[in-house]
Amino acid sequence: AQSVAQPEDQVNVAEGNPLTVKCTYSVSGNPYLFWYVQYPNRGLQFLLKYITGDNLVKGSYGFEAEFNKSQTSFHLKKPSALVSDSALYFCAVRDMGNTNAGKSTFGDGTTLTVKP
Amino acid sequence: NAGVTQTPKFRILKIGQSMTLQCTQDMNHNYMYWYRQDPGMGLKLIYYSVGAGITDKGEVPNGYNVSRSTTEDFPLRLELAAPSQTSVYFCASSAGWDGELFFGEGSRLTVL
Repeated sequence: AQSVAQPEDQVNVAEGNPLTVKCTYSVSGNPYLFWYVQYPNRGLQFLLKYITGDNLVKGSYGFEAEFNKSQTSFHLKKPSALVSDSALYFCAVRDMGNTNAGKSTFGDGTTLTVKP
Repeated sequence: NAGVTQTPKFRILKIGQSMTLQCTQDMNHNYMYWYRQDPGMGLKLIYYSVGAGITDKGEVPNGYNVSRSTTEDFPLRLELAAPSQTSVYFCASSAGWDGELFFGEGSRLTVL
């Protein structure tokens, strides 16, 4: 079975400071990893994904994430936070090692609040 | 491009009523999904489809049914609505098994 954990319900940072939103995963095969963002009363929007290749993945709005196979982590980062980054962030995983490869499992989400 | 379109955006049902949530996408994606989002619980997969005529159950399929007669449409049917089905429902699509998901704006359903 595949699973995702986002250990922090809430992350608070000051504008201009770096931010990190944590994600760890568990799969039996190779992981495909995704980050999505959700603004209030909206659907989720894709930020970035790791499929293969470089462990550091760059995505939309200046976000990046680092894949760490030994720690089974895929933390989302941004060097300088903006107030407009405040939103709900979801990590998701697909296990490419089983027949249900098309299904994504989502974490419970982390609310990011950036204060001016 | 409209992307993924869901209707209705809001609906209140009485216990025991039935309804269909509509979902259509104009990106010619083969993969389509229905998720429900409960507060603090993330997204749970209800049903998914890998192409027209093919559907399969997700984590929480009980009380729901789907059909996929065309590539574009993937309606979700709720039979005999129960308060436990009060949630926000999201339809999503992807180009392939390794692609990112494109989400609709959501349908907020309340069962009283």
